[in-house]
Amino acid sequence: GAVVSQHPSRVICKSGTSVKIECRSLDFQATTMFWYRQFPKQSLMLMATSNEGSKATYEQGVEKDKFLINHASLTLSTLTVTSAHPEDSSFYICSAQQTWTGTNEQFFGPGTRLTVL
Amino acid sequence: ILNVEQSPQSLHVQEGDSTNFTCSFPSSNFYALHWYRWETAKSPEALFVMTLNGDEKKKGRISATLNTKEGYSYLYIKGSQPEDSATYLCAFSNTGKLIFGQGTTLQVKP
Repeated sequence: GAVVSQHPSRVICKSGTSVKIECRSLDFQATTMFWYRQFPKQSLMLMATSNEGSKATYEQGVEKDKFLINHASLTLSTLTVTSAHPEDSSFYICSAQQTWTGTNEQFFGPGTRLTVL
Repeated sequence: ILNVEQSPQSLHVQEGDSTNFTCSFPSSNFYALHWYRWETAKSPEALFVMTLNGDEKKKGRISATLNTKEGYSYLYIKGSQPEDSATYLCAFSNTGKLIFGQGTTLQVKP
């Protein structure tokens, strides 16, 4: 149980294009989903938290107009990197949480490697 | 700024060796400490969620301890096997967010 999928696993795009990444909870309903980014040799950094049906909460320094997050259902959240530039090249990974347990237990997708040329 | 530190960054051991890693985290406003095992091209897999000072958890050959007063957790692997090769992440939880360390990458040679 508690499987999260992420698609695509890898994407290469030209500078200026937009890229959409999907995160799905396959066997549970996720009230909250999280989006992280990881640069080489660094830790996973939280970008934003999204709750189904409401606007995402972005971490300090993360541009909400650049990284559009939609959490339209209890099993799907999407991250759209708009007008991507080479500095947006990174590893993006999502996680999902069923209900608040007090421990913030999260289940992760396998991640998406984005390369912007 | 809340900081989570893991050491060592990487580790190479022989099959059969036992090993351990450290995770240091802020000792204030503690909710939980999470350990994940992350193999290349796969999803991070939850190993342990620890909440109480003095907690010890075990899963097969892997165990973990928690000291919330001094802000550290140890992960132990007994008799390492090549399939234990992965990056081990710890994450400190408070205010509904996970703050990750950089991970310890373990390579077990047959």
